[in-house]
Amino acid sequence: DIPMTQSPSSLSASVGDTVTITCRASQTIINYLNWYQQKPGKAPKVLIYAASNLESDVPSRFSGSGSGTHFTLTISNLQPEDFATYYCQQSFYAPLTFGGGTKVEI
Amino acid sequence: EVQLVESGGGLIKPGRSLRLSCAASGFTFGDFAMHWVRQAPGKGLEWVAGISYNSNSIGYGDSVKGRFTISRDNVKESLDLQMNSLTAADTALYYCVKSPRGSTSLNWFALWGQGTLVTVSS
Repeated sequence: DIPMTQSPSSLSASVGDTVTITCRASQTIINYLNWYQQKPGKAPKVLIYAASNLESDVPSRFSGSGSGTHFTLTISNLQPEDFATYYCQQSFYAPLTFGGGTKVEI
Repeated sequence: EVQLVESGGGLIKPGRSLRLSCAASGFTFGDFAMHWVRQAPGKGLEWVAGISYNSNSIGYGDSVKGRFTISRDNVKESLDLQMNSLTAADTALYYCVKSPRGSTSLNWFALWGQGTLVTVSS
């Protein structure tokens, strides 16, 4: 298995802030890293695929970067609707694995 | 409308079996890989199983390997998950998930259903 280490597990931020979430793989996954947002009581939604590609209809304040073993999700100009839990996920090795999640709170 | 609708969840005793189903609509089901992803109450996401568009490639998470079986029917546009020897650790919301491509790897989870809850308890 490829454990995905996500940090921090939670963070507090304010509207307008820029936040960065980090995801690390135990070995290289090239750029096969995806980011999801999950709001309470809802199914997850993909934000970024293949490390840096913005899914359609996702606001441009979300961005992803990284390759190999180190990846980041950046949310610029945080909006009220961005308070949620974020997960990274690798798709290079089976079994597919998720990070533990980062809860972004006010 | 593109959607995935899961069914089959419920309360089940430890050791018993349960079969989940997912009905797909609004897209050409047979072109895309499909997955089951679960989430235990208050916990994170866990990939359970995936199946390629033509059923030639199938994979399972370590915690369910040998107990769960994923299958699909491209004519009926449905995805199933047969779960045997259930334990309390299998209690979770089970999501049916569509990939944007035909293979189970090297892509992402593009479309999620709303989930069906499985509770394993005596």
